[in-house]
Amino acid sequence: EAGVAQSPRYKIIEKRQSVAFWCNPISGHATLYWYQQILGQGPKLLIQFQNNGVVDDSQLPKDRFSAERLKGVDSTLKIQPAKLEDSAVYLCASSLTPIRDEQYFGPGTRLTVT
Amino acid sequence: QKEVEQNSGPLSVPEGAIASLNCTYSDRGSQSFFWYRQYSGKSPELIMFIYSNGDKEDGRFTAQLNKASQYVSLLIRDSQPSDSATYLCAVNHSNQGGKLIFGQGTELSVKP
Repeated sequence: EAGVAQSPRYKIIEKRQSVAFWCNPISGHATLYWYQQILGQGPKLLIQFQNNGVVDDSQLPKDRFSAERLKGVDSTLKIQPAKLEDSAVYLCASSLTPIRDEQYFGPGTRLTVT
Repeated sequence: QKEVEQNSGPLSVPEGAIASLNCTYSDRGSQSFFWYRQYSGKSPELIMFIYSNGDKEDGRFTAQLNKASQYVSLLIRDSQPSDSATYLCAVNHSNQGGKLIFGQGTELSVKP
């Protein structure tokens, strides 16, 4: 079974630039999550999708971050414009169902904003 | 008060010893509890989950849950240098659509 795919793996941008991350979940997984993990901290949920609908985006900075999962499969997370404090690893995860099923994480995208 | 709290460590144990990792959570509505292991530069991987009070054993790992005390722990028996990693405690609130709240992680170092 193929795992969660993410790209790019690394990205370096200057502040005020924009960036986009892509995630393809495990086949058949209806729930998709985007997390932000700052060095030394645990992952923080940014947004959760159930199929192509948003379940939770309470911690997504909506003035600069956006995400979509148009066909209920792969997803894109965008930051525009980026700030220095956005430097982090962005993790995508997926699960069969949202409550008890294990969340499988992708390799992450390490973003550095200079 | 943080929703999920862990000692950041580092916790250092000798090879072959028992490592004990602890986690407390604030929301009594929490129903599912997970332990993830994260090697440096890698993504988290699930090692244990527990839903009911008591102990759950899987090989060298034992998860313990006490909902009355809002406490969950992970014991690693016969610790190996390959167990050196950060261990993340995560709590799932069923009334929040499956949202996982992570602690900050405890760094474990197993010395040969």
